[in-house]
Amino acid sequence: EVQLLESGGGLVQPGGSLRLSCAASGFTFSDYAMNWVRQAPGKGLDWVSGISPSGSITYYADSVKGRFTISRDNSRNVLYLQMNSLRAEDTAIFYCAKGPFPIGDTTNYYPFHWGQGTLITVSS
Amino acid sequence: QSVLTQPPSASGTPGQRVTISCSGSSSNIGSNFVYWYQQLPGTAPEVLIYRNNQRPSGVPDRFSGSKSGTSASLAISGLRSEDEAVYYCAAWDDSRSARVVFGGGTKVTVL
Repeated sequence: EVQLLESGGGLVQPGGSLRLSCAASGFTFSDYAMNWVRQAPGKGLDWVSGISPSGSITYYADSVKGRFTISRDNSRNVLYLQMNSLRAEDTAIFYCAKGPFPIGDTTNYYPFHWGQGTLITVSS
Repeated sequence: QSVLTQPPSASGTPGQRVTISCSGSSSNIGSNFVYWYQQLPGTAPEVLIYRNNQRPSGVPDRFSGSKSGTSASLAISGLRSEDEAVYYCAAWDDSRSARVVFGGGTKVTVL
């Protein structure tokens, strides 16, 4: 069974930094593209970033480009999101999501399995 | 404002058929797969339809997806009370900023 467990959320001041982690199990982590998707309170889904199975290719939403960095450790089955220069509008639940098939092309960056999410609150 | 356009709400009585539309462009729906997600209150989203019209195991065949040109739709037949949720469409976008784009979500209410 696929399991994705996010951690690292919490309260941070504007301009601050936070690193999220997602521990993956139940599948061969190094075979799948992975994503971060967020959802602001009462709002819709907002894709943040995706990373290829090897970690060599990354994609970002324009709203986070230059501030967030996605990475992965395939030896530990963990996905990361380093978030810097945080803004109030980054307040959201952040979900870790696995791609659908063990292929690294762009057809497999769609979120397929989702974690339960971790809440980030950016406020002074 | 979402890249993919969905109606904010839809409704039906138990047993009815409800259809949700998702409109995009040539850089997303027009050239890539469409996925649909269901989000029940207070829970993480779950995939309902993948690759335009495929259902993951465990998803009832009351749910079906289709795509034509730059639009897609999700149909729920035999509407049930447990179908009350928010539904999102998504597609890969090949524009200058390659990324996954979502619709704004459609809240389905079972009357």
